[in-house]
Amino acid sequence: DSGVTQTPKHLITATGQRVTLRCSPRSGDLSVYWYQQSLDQGLQFLIQYYNGEERAKGNILERFSAQQFPDLHSELNLSSLELGDSALYFCASSVALSEYDTDTQYFGPGTRLTVL
Amino acid sequence: AQTVTQSQPEMSVQEAETVTLSCTYDTSESDYYLFWYKQPPSRQMILVIRQEAYKQQNATENRFSVNFQKAAKSFSLKISDSQLGDAAMYFCAYTFMGSYGKLTFGQGTILTVHP
Repeated sequence: DSGVTQTPKHLITATGQRVTLRCSPRSGDLSVYWYQQSLDQGLQFLIQYYNGEERAKGNILERFSAQQFPDLHSELNLSSLELGDSALYFCASSVALSEYDTDTQYFGPGTRLTVL
Repeated sequence: AQTVTQSQPEMSVQEAETVTLSCTYDTSESDYYLFWYKQPPSRQMILVIRQEAYKQQNATENRFSVNFQKAAKSFSLKISDSQLGDAAMYFCAYTFMGSYGKLTFGQGTILTVHP
């Protein structure tokens, strides 16, 4: 158990819908990362937050957004869902304090999203 | 752009034997970090080992060790005394100083362990 929790474990929805994925980081970790794992794209970095602020962005679609709350949990919002958005979405956390920190990231169990 | 390449989509090994998984990377950064993550059928991503580029000594964690060849930009993972529980997808990953720690992953290698 990494100490990172994600809910829900599985999510099945229809095209055009909107979903919210939730992540709670390990105790003491201020940085949260979101990754997408799909068959065609592999594992891709989406976005990173540190203590409530967005710090780094990857190949995240405009239909996707995220935020980190004062209690440090994070939510990834996916809207206007398409079939291709079906994937495993991971949250990871670390104690990284700045762009110069490369502390190890610990991953949650993931949320499997299926878009029908 | 930084890239990570795992050229072996699948590997297999007999229980108790040794196997080496390959990874190469491309970067112009001088201060970077490399990782191997294991993803068993449960889909959980588990850190196996970490290597700082500035360290010449190869990292080891029990039965897992790396062969880090900085000039060749190669970072292979050696698993000794393979166990059935080692069967998983293994990902090589990279990050560099100044990137807020975001990881770039290779395509993964599926390791099968035969009893």
